Amino acid sequence: EDQVTQSPEALRLQEGESSSLNCSYTVSGLRGLFWYRQDPGKGPEFLFTLYSAGEEKEKERLKATLTKKESFLHITAPKPEDSATYLCAVQRYSSASKIIFGSGTRLSIRP
Amino acid sequence: EAQVTQNPRYLITVTGKKLTVTCSQNMNHEYMSWYRQDPGLGLRQIYYSMNVEVTDKGDVPEGYKVSRKEKRNFPLILESPSPNQTSLYFCASSLVRDSSRGPAEQYFGPGTRLTVT
Repeated sequence: EDQVTQSPEALRLQEGESSSLNCSYTVSGLRGLFWYRQDPGKGPEFLFTLYSAGEEKEKERLKATLTKKESFLHITAPKPEDSATYLCAVQRYSSASKIIFGSGTRLSIRP
Repeated sequence: EAQVTQNPRYLITVTGKKLTVTCSQNMNHEYMSWYRQDPGLGLRQIYYSMNVEVTDKGDVPEGYKVSRKEKRNFPLILESPSPNQTSLYFCASSLVRDSSRGPAEQYFGPGTRLTVT
């Protein structure tokens, strides 16, 4: 069965303390993997799309990477405004219109 | 401003009373989708639409209906709501690069919090 698992469920960091969030997936033929940020009470906001193993994308303090089994969202020197829930989602070749989301990692950055 | 709007934002209703949650986008996107978000379960796809008059089931379609008569609108219908449909609902839209590749990144609405008593 296709599955997307994110870890940890929650992560508390000190401002400036770098870390990584994990998204592991078991899908039959990955077409694309998406990362979103969700602030409390709001809809998810798009961050990155990754299509092939080895691909990396960066935006400010965030860098997303992709392997054949998982993706990492690296956060370098985070600030309190990076506090949010980070969601990953996968898209399969066999049914590209269906999107499967993980349950998210709730990130909290203390000043 | 490019956006996805949902109405209502908050709704409390009783079991069995039909309701509709509207969704509209102004970006001329072909793809639209509905999700529900529950604690610990993440976002689960209810229905999606690749274009006008083309809809298909997601992972949790039971108890829901949709229609896509116009490109910009994609209403979610609960004909006989039950308490297990209490949830936070999101509508999203996206461009489609080509029909075989499915949607690109999605733009989400602000959410509708539904409580069924």
